[in-house]
Amino acid sequence: IAGITQAPTSQILAAGRRMTLRCTQDMRHNAMYWYRQDLGLGLRLIHYSNTAGTTGKGEVPDGYSVSRANTDDFPLTLASAVPSQTSVYFCASSDKKTGPNEQFFGPGTRLTVL
Amino acid sequence: GQNIDQPTEMTATEGAIVQINCTYQTSGFNGLFWYQQHAGEAPTFLSYNVLDGLEEKGRFSSFLSRSKGYSYLLLKELQMKDSASYLCAVIDSNYQLIWGAGTKLIIKP
Repeated sequence: IAGITQAPTSQILAAGRRMTLRCTQDMRHNAMYWYRQDLGLGLRLIHYSNTAGTTGKGEVPDGYSVSRANTDDFPLTLASAVPSQTSVYFCASSDKKTGPNEQFFGPGTRLTVL
Repeated sequence: GQNIDQPTEMTATEGAIVQINCTYQTSGFNGLFWYQQHAGEAPTFLSYNVLDGLEEKGRFSSFLSRSKGYSYLLLKELQMKDSASYLCAVIDSNYQLIWGAGTKLIIKP
């Protein structure tokens, strides 16, 4: 693994179903983030984690949950998917200990909720 | 509220120069990023400004004026591969990134 990986690449999901988007990084970055990106809107922060064992809410957290059991993994769960959660989801990480907090992004997951 | 404004779309000619502007109103300021995002791909880091002035990196330069809440990204000697969206993002007082909606740059031959 080099950088950040996300799985699945894309998914079509029935409304009401539970779904977990996976994110793994191998850069030993302490901070990780989940964003959604919708046409015409900027990246919007869903949840973040500044270090393993801690999480925080971003701008649009409703309907989503996260966990950070270790440094490398930061899964995002939709407990009961709704059509408004159709979006492209990006996971990112940064090393807050050094530098300007540049964020590195995974390739994204394209999610469609029907 | 926090707000970052960028033009939605710009068109330029191959070989020319283009300037993409970004104005921001945020709770605090701890730096500004420019990212490039090709269609269907993830954003990638281009530049970072925290002090006033111009940062040059090859064909790309980024300028910041903190007193005016203003930045621009300057792309020289445009190439077809520069067709992408360019995202401006500001680090606020809580050290969170606030993102603009991005500027789609179309390069014509």
